[in-house]
Amino acid sequence: KAGVTQTPRYLIKTRGQQVTLSCSPISGHRSVSWYQQTPGQGLQFLFEYFSETQRNKGNFPGRFSGRQFSNSRSEMNVSTLELGDSALYLCASSYPSGTDYNEQFFGPGTRLTVL
Amino acid sequence: AQSVTQLDSQVPVFEEAPVELRCNYSSSVSVYLFWYVQYPNQGLQLLLKYLSGSTLVESINGFEAEFNKSQTSFHLRKPSVHISDTAEYFCAVSAFSGGYNKLIFGAGTRLAVHP
Repeated sequence: KAGVTQTPRYLIKTRGQQVTLSCSPISGHRSVSWYQQTPGQGLQFLFEYFSETQRNKGNFPGRFSGRQFSNSRSEMNVSTLELGDSALYLCASSYPSGTDYNEQFFGPGTRLTVL
Repeated sequence: AQSVTQLDSQVPVFEEAPVELRCNYSSSVSVYLFWYVQYPNQGLQLLLKYLSGSTLVESINGFEAEFNKSQTSFHLRKPSVHISDTAEYFCAVSAFSGGYNKLIFGAGTRLAVHP
């Protein structure tokens, strides 16, 4: 079974631009979560999508948004990029049972550099 | 709210020596506890988890961690490390709520194994 895939793996943008990152979960997984990893702030939860609905959100500004499609693939968008948005963006998928813990499987990440 | 503190940002150790990576957490509710490992330019891999039951959990590659509720700790140990264990290790907690969860990570500990 293929793992979580993220595209692109590397991205360079300039301040003020917007960017869209893509995540394809493991086949059969319906939950997708996004995390931001920076040297200064570490790993921080962005949001989680399940069945095309955002059901949990971290403490990030509205410039960060996401969506999930009917095939469970997810995209996250960052508008009006700032230098501080430079980070590794990780996506994780899980097969939620709705009642208990569901292991999250992480993709390799997209390294975003904002110049 | 939950938080995780990893007491050491870097741990240098010689090959075949024992190692302990320390993790403390705070939470007002019951949590699940995890250790993830991240190799250079890769995503996160689950090393081991505590959900319930035996407080000592083991991984397939020789790591173990012990859940100590009174000390709110979940330290990671290995009796004899290898060069290939060089990586960054993250302790995380998850508070299950309403059918979904999010991971709260510590700042990470960089384990450097020297020959």
